[in-house]
Amino acid sequence: SSELSQDPAVSVALGQTVRITCQGDNLNNYYPCWYQQKPGQAPLLVMYGKNSRPSGIPDRFSGSSSGNTVSLLITGAQAEDEADYYCLSRDTSGNEVIFGGGTKVTVL
Amino acid sequence: QVQHVQSGAEVKKPGASVNVSCKASGYTFSSYNINWVRQAPGQRPQWMGWINAGTGNVKYSQKFQGRVTFARDTSATTTYMELRGLTSEDTAIYYCARDKSLRGNPLFDSWGQGTLVTVSS
Repeated sequence: SSELSQDPAVSVALGQTVRITCQGDNLNNYYPCWYQQKPGQAPLLVMYGKNSRPSGIPDRFSGSSSGNTVSLLITGAQAEDEADYYCLSRDTSGNEVIFGGGTKVTVL
Repeated sequence: QVQHVQSGAEVKKPGASVNVSCKASGYTFSSYNINWVRQAPGQRPQWMGWINAGTGNVKYSQKFQGRVTFARDTSATTTYMELRGLTSEDTAIYYCARDKSLRGNPLFDSWGQGTLVTVSS
């Protein structure tokens, strides 16, 4: 098995840019996807693949990767972006699906 | 539109079993895997496994192997998750999610609203 590591919390001023990272040895082989989760709601897919957004997700969300670290970037953060963000991928065996520990984004 | 509607909240006693259903609509049910994910209060989501809605093939996470069973009814476009031997640690919200895996990368693109399962004596 393996883990996906995320910073527990990050804050961003309204309209500024925030980067959320997900680090794991398996990320050299698998692209993670990213979920936004607000209190009392199911996770919502916001990013997948190299840099693909599902329909309806604003283009202020983008993705990038470097080695075993993948990033979700929110450019021009809005109040409604305040949420928990989780990355999801496979473990190094490829047999299990795992989630990162989550990053709580606060928009100031 | 693609939608998954889950059954309502459950309260169970320790040692009991729980059955959660997930009805799919808006797409060809038999073409996808349905995954089950649970999330305990304040914790990260935890993957439980998947069922192929077409073939009925299943894969369970090692953590739940032997204690969970997935099933599906293609005529009702519904999948089911049964978890046995409940303890207080199984108190969580249980979600179903459609998998549109892309080149081996898991991709859960549509989720049910979640079912709260509370285990309490």
